[in-house]
Amino acid sequence: EPEVTQTPSHQVTQMGQEVILRCVPISNHLYFYWYRQILGQKVEFLVSFYNNEISEKSEIFDDQFSVERPDGSNFTLKIRSTKLEDSAMYFCASSQDRGLTEAFFGQGTRLTVV
Amino acid sequence: DQQVKQNSPSLSVQEGRISILNCDYTNSMFDYFLWYKKYPAEGPTFLISISSIKDKNEDGRFTVFLNKSAKHLSLHIVPSQPGDSAVYFCAASEAGANNLFFGTGTRLTVIP
Repeated sequence: EPEVTQTPSHQVTQMGQEVILRCVPISNHLYFYWYRQILGQKVEFLVSFYNNEISEKSEIFDDQFSVERPDGSNFTLKIRSTKLEDSAMYFCASSQDRGLTEAFFGQGTRLTVV
Repeated sequence: DQQVKQNSPSLSVQEGRISILNCDYTNSMFDYFLWYKKYPAEGPTFLISISSIKDKNEDGRFTVFLNKSAKHLSLHIVPSQPGDSAVYFCAASEAGANNLFFGTGTRLTVIP
């Protein structure tokens, strides 16, 4: 069964450092997303991406964040200067259609900022 | 801005009995609702969805009910199995939108 894969599974970084979280969406999907879940809190939408541009983003997704699809398969989330409060589980997702019908999620990358 | 609420953080059910997970929402613009299941160390897995034009959708042991007037939906699992033990997230989206609003999840434990 096709799946969304994320690397690394766990990333530890020092405050102020840049991190790049990587995702390989399902190959025939057109819509890509990043969500995050701070420990003990709800899953929160960060950004959606379609046709090589951001289609929607939340208030969380400020200038410190950026997304890119550098080639035909990868979808990355970059945090420019990490803060302690960026520590969370980051989930990538993809879907074939708009509207998130059956969005498929990756297993997540746990980001720990120290 | 808790637009999607799951007020029960946990639920325990005997194997074979019915599990009922509840979800409330505040945004009347939501028109599509989904349930995701999440095991530890895995991402959320899509389970079942319902459009606002329906009040019930069934898929095997899983049924989702939507009460638009009460802004309430529920997920019924019958019969419950130990493998159903997971965290269940309710999620919703507005028409034409491309993002999901999640609830905080309910941890279901099915006791053998």
